[in-house]
Amino acid sequence: ETGVTQTPRHLVMGMTNKKSLKCEQHLGHNAMYWYKQSAKKPLELMFVYSLEERVENNSVPSRFSPECPNSSHLFLHLHTLQPEDSALYLCASSQVAAVRSYNEQFFGPGTRLTVL
Amino acid sequence: GENVEQHPSTLSVQEGDSAVIKCTYSDSASNYFPWYKQELGKRPQLIIDIRSNVGEKKDQRIAVTLNKTAKHFSLHITETQPEDSAVYFCAANLNSGYALNFGKGTSLLVTP
Repeated sequence: ETGVTQTPRHLVMGMTNKKSLKCEQHLGHNAMYWYKQSAKKPLELMFVYSLEERVENNSVPSRFSPECPNSSHLFLHLHTLQPEDSALYLCASSQVAAVRSYNEQFFGPGTRLTVL
Repeated sequence: GENVEQHPSTLSVQEGDSAVIKCTYSDSASNYFPWYKQELGKRPQLIIDIRSNVGEKKDQRIAVTLNKTAKHFSLHITETQPEDSAVYFCAANLNSGYALNFGKGTSLLVTP
């Protein structure tokens, strides 16, 4: 596998379920991101792990919990979600040299999540 | 909070015509402005980016211009082709760093 991969590609869950989304990058990058993509809304940055720090969007509800065990793997743990959480969840990675630096972000194919 | 405004939300052009998408940003510290293309059912992919030390960058049929004073940047596609049909997202980095703020996207349709 090359690039950024995500599993599962599709997920249907009830509001009481607990599930996890997985992302893996094979690019040797040191930063990983979770985005939420809803219809007619901007790509919304949820969490970033980079340079041993975690940055989070304060508007993301606590029912979303990220985990980054190493620089190649990123998880998004889901529990007691709401129907409005149905969206495409995209993972991305990039190479970051310093806090005040930037580089191309490479996206995974996304997980299409439906909450019933 | 800091945001990126993108216009228009939809754009329809005939094959061979030019397409222009405009974005404005509010974070004065933004210094990196990428553009991503997302085809239906596929992942976003970078097509061009510009850094704040230049005013224009061109790559074959696509070009991006930046006006830092006005906090505007634009994507220009010339000689459009049907395969250019996709959703285009502009973005600006937050606080000169690696996190990005995206616009809402422009759905471009190029008709033969």
